[in-house]
Amino acid sequence: AQKVTQAQTEISVVEKEDVTLDCVYETRDTTYYLFWYKQPPSGELVFLIRRNSFDEQNEISGRYSWNFQKSTSSFNFTITASQVVDSAVYFCALKDSNYQLIWGAGTKLIIKP
Amino acid sequence: DTEVTQTPKHLVMGMTNKKSLKCEQHMGHRAMYWYKQKAKKPPELMFVYSYEKLSINESVPSRFSPECPNSSLLNLHLHALQPEDSALYLCASSRPGLAKETQYFGPGTRLLVL
Repeated sequence: AQKVTQAQTEISVVEKEDVTLDCVYETRDTTYYLFWYKQPPSGELVFLIRRNSFDEQNEISGRYSWNFQKSTSSFNFTITASQVVDSAVYFCALKDSNYQLIWGAGTKLIIKP
Repeated sequence: DTEVTQTPKHLVMGMTNKKSLKCEQHMGHRAMYWYKQKAKKPPELMFVYSYEKLSINESVPSRFSPECPNSSLLNLHLHALQPEDSALYLCASSRPGLAKETQYFGPGTRLLVL
């Protein structure tokens, strides 16, 4: 069965601190895709990244970076030098042969000025 | 252009009203989705249209009726809703058929049923 676990319900840090959001997944498939979305208070789900199971290279995009480790079934997301605008709920999600997004519960990130 | 638009942004309706939510995308995507999201929860899939045909209905009550008039538009018709149907309704689109395809979401419609 597929499952995505985001154990951190809420994280609060002061601006400019680095913060890591954890995501652990379960799937029996060898081909699958992992996603991160950001949902600010306005409600829109903003796509951040997609990673396929065959590409274990870490990705960096500006202040954002992602660490994919198949050995631990994790796909963690780090924000460097956090800013108030990073405050949002972040969702990790999985898609495998079932073709539907399996969502984690989300992590609410609060960046205090 | 990865834009999905939704109207209205907010909707308040009584339990006897009939209303419609609208979603539009111009990315050439042929798969469109309706999700329902309650506060502090992840989105729940309601319906999937692929090439303008309903392909998935996640056992949604018949008071929700989807419609896909063309490849760019998706509607959700609402009738005789209950207060527990109050939620954020999100539309998404993607290229169809493959697990790797990314779903792009609209801003949502916040629905309150009184």
